Amino acid sequence: DAKTTQPPSMDCAEGRAANLPCNHSTISGNEYVYWYRQIHSQGPQYIIHGLKNNETNEMASLIITEDRKSSTLILPHATLRDTAVYYCIVRVSLSGGYQKVTFGIGTKLQVIP
Amino acid sequence: EAGVAQSPRYKIIEKRQSVAFWCNPISGHATLYWYQQILGQGPKLLIQFQNNGVVDDSQLPKDRFSAERLKGVDSTLKIQPAKLEDSAVYLCASSLWDRTDTQYFGPGTRLTVL
Repeated sequence: DAKTTQPPSMDCAEGRAANLPCNHSTISGNEYVYWYRQIHSQGPQYIIHGLKNNETNEMASLIITEDRKSSTLILPHATLRDTAVYYCIVRVSLSGGYQKVTFGIGTKLQVIP
Repeated sequence: EAGVAQSPRYKIIEKRQSVAFWCNPISGHATLYWYQQILGQGPKLLIQFQNNGVVDDSQLPKDRFSAERLKGVDSTLKIQPAKLEDSAVYLCASSLWDRTDTQYFGPGTRLTVL
């Protein structure tokens, strides 16, 4: 399985952009990068995913390097409600067309007033 | 659209007792997952169903854990007998079997084994 490496914790000032890095140097060509976040006492919540191109949605932007060995999740204007653990995951394809994701420890983002 | 429902939200039992958790996925979602999340760790996949068939149960401790998904909709996860180290949050998730395969999680059941 492609393994991801994230910093265990980060701080960000409220209103500023939060840039969360992730290394996935062993990723294969057809494996997607997913980001989820988990707010305290809740289940994980999907944020965004990508394969090669940069992606943007109403929650965040995902920047994937050209060699696909790393990516950055960008929260453009962090709010206190963005305080959570952020998981970077590589989705692995199993036989039969099924997919599998493996969660690591993630990055605990603290947004500071 | 209703989300993934789980019950109970909290459960406290003594070791060697049995416990069962219930999950109702989002309507139309063919894939259902059970995860175990120990405090301070990321969720660990226990079992993955595609409709009512098992796709992956490689990390399910089969001597004490069992799960079923009758009729390809609701699912139950059972622990019998429970051990202290089973104290964790048990999360259920579901997804459409499509290219994005985005998982939607329920609120989880917090299990405490005394």
